Amino acid sequence: AQSVTQLGSHVSVSEGALVLLRCNYSSSVPPYLFWYVQYPNQGLQLLLKYTSAATLVKGINGFEAEFKKSETSFHLTKPSAHMSDAAEYFCAVSGNTDKLIFGTGTRLQVFP
Amino acid sequence: GAVVSQHPSWVICKSGTSVKIECRSLDFQATTMFWYRQFPKQSLMLMATSNEGSKATYEQGVEKDKFLINHASLTLSTLTVTSAHPEDSSFYICSALIMRNEQFFGPGTRLTVL
Repeated sequence: AQSVTQLGSHVSVSEGALVLLRCNYSSSVPPYLFWYVQYPNQGLQLLLKYTSAATLVKGINGFEAEFKKSETSFHLTKPSAHMSDAAEYFCAVSGNTDKLIFGTGTRLQVFP
Repeated sequence: GAVVSQHPSWVICKSGTSVKIECRSLDFQATTMFWYRQFPKQSLMLMATSNEGSKATYEQGVEKDKFLINHASLTLSTLTVTSAHPEDSSFYICSALIMRNEQFFGPGTRLTVL
């Protein structure tokens, strides 16, 4: 069985500040891990994914995430927040099947 | 990148009617598509896996007779909400599997049942 826990349903940062969105996973098999972003009334856009290659994964829009097996974590970071980063972010896990299990999401607010 | 479209983007219908939502992969073939629903301010919940040329696989708790899925071609899957009721109002999102463990998502369809 697999699951994802996103700590913090809301995160607020100032423009230019570090963004840190937390994701912990549980998986009985080696996981594939994903971060998606969703803007209001839109579908999901893939930010980045971990597929057992490099543990530090770089994605689009300056985001990156580090896979830490010992901590079962896959936190998303961005050094400097931009106003356009305000959105809903979902962490997801998959394993032997292609089904995605999503976390409950974190809403990121960016203040000027 | 790969593009997945959905039609319509929003629909309002009366209670008791049926609504069909289309999901198309525009520039690639997808033998597998997924259907999700998302309630306001909540996460995506997988409803079913749609496989071209075979019956869909539904997740536990999803009524297959209410949510009819047809995947008749490698670029089109449809979800029909039969006899819709207000509690079926939701945001429905499809995705297409482009490669192992990578899905591209459609823009979603907002269904409102009056």
